[in-house]
Amino acid sequence: QVQLVQAGGEVKKPGASVNVSCQASGYRFIGYYLHWVRQAPGQGLEWVGWINPNTGDTNYSQKFQDRVTLTRDTSINTAYMELSRLTYDDTAIYYCATTDIVYYRFVRWGQGTLVTVSS
Amino acid sequence: EIVLTQSPGTLSLSPGERATLSCRASQSVSSSFLAWYQQKPGQAPRLLIYGASSRATGIPDRFSGSGSGTDFTLTITRLEPEDFAVYYCQQYGKSSWTFGQGTKVEIK
Repeated sequence: QVQLVQAGGEVKKPGASVNVSCQASGYRFIGYYLHWVRQAPGQGLEWVGWINPNTGDTNYSQKFQDRVTLTRDTSINTAYMELSRLTYDDTAIYYCATTDIVYYRFVRWGQGTLVTVSS
Repeated sequence: EIVLTQSPGTLSLSPGERATLSCRASQSVSSSFLAWYQQKPGQAPRLLIYGASSRATGIPDRFSGSGSGTDFTLTITRLEPEDFAVYYCQQYGKSSWTFGQGTKVEIK
């Protein structure tokens, strides 16, 4: 069964960093780009960036370019997103998702990790 | 960055009615890279349509997509109770992905 399993929620203070994980199973981890997409409460979807699990290459949305780092550990089929210098506006559900390289569509989604920024 | 604008923001319809959702791009989008998603409360989005008009696996044929260039449409021919949700369009271009702001289809 194809799954992307994300860790539980996080509560962080403004200015801190958060690290969110996404473990893949049931498919070839290095065969698909792994993206992060966030959704603030009651808002729409916002693309954060992707990592190529095979090469480690990354590409980030300009909005997050200087604050986000995507990494992966192919030995445990897990991808990570670190977001630094958190503000209240970073409170959101962070989803990991995979795309294919033919239609660039988001085929599989994790269940999401709620990151709450609160003092 | 290509901006996707969806309209209307909210669509109030009754079960059995037809829903027509619009997605307009700020510049031309390759039809191959235009997709639609459905999201229900508390759930991750689900892929409905890719390549502007191809249904994803398991998606009922009451869902259809059309369009090209800067104007795309998602049509739900006869709304079922489970279709009331938020719908997003998404495009890929120049190594960047963007989503529309969503259209909520609610029960009238």
